[in-house]
Amino acid sequence: GQSLEQPSEVTAVEGAIVQINCTYQTSGFYGLSWYQQHDGGAPTFLSYNALDGLEETGRFSSFLSRSDSYGYLLLQELQMKDSASYFCAPNQGGKLIFGQGTELSVKP
Amino acid sequence: DAMVIQNPRYQVTQFGKPVTLSCSQTLNHNVMYWYQQKSSQAPKLLFHYYDKDFNNEADTPDNFQSRRPNTSFCFLDIRSPGLGDAAMYLCATSRGLSSGSISYEQYFGPGTRLTVT
Repeated sequence: GQSLEQPSEVTAVEGAIVQINCTYQTSGFYGLSWYQQHDGGAPTFLSYNALDGLEETGRFSSFLSRSDSYGYLLLQELQMKDSASYFCAPNQGGKLIFGQGTELSVKP
Repeated sequence: DAMVIQNPRYQVTQFGKPVTLSCSQTLNHNVMYWYQQKSSQAPKLLFHYYDKDFNNEADTPDNFQSRRPNTSFCFLDIRSPGLGDAAMYLCATSRGLSSGSISYEQYFGPGTRLTVT
């Protein structure tokens, strides 16, 4: 079967660093995507890992360990505008299976 | 700007009355997806088109159908909406690659929020 786990909510303060973990069990795994969704908005692509290791894109980084079926999204220098839901989504050859999402609240 | 457009943004329909949601894209992407997202839940893939090839998810109810008359447009038809079909419906696109696979990055439209009364 397929399963995805990520924390339901995380709270942090402005300027801090936060890590959102994702563990997955899925067939036909190509890589792990991360999407951000603000309340009432559309998901937007943040990062993708096809291979093990760290991918860095500005303040956001994502990590993947295929052997552990585990990944994380790291957000640095948090800003208020980062308050949103973050979804990990294993890529099954162009099909995304979204996790339940982690609601990040950034406090002043 | 190249984009994914969904109309209308808000749609109200009556229980059992057929409704069609529209999606268009100016990205010229081969692949178009429809997702259903209920409140505080993850987007759930309903089906996708790779060019004209239709791919239905196994657990998508028969009540949901789709049409893609050309590259730019895709429609979601709900034949007999029930109260449980009230949700945000998201359209997304992605590039098909020369290998026949699909790019990992999907571009989402703003969604249509469907209310069933």
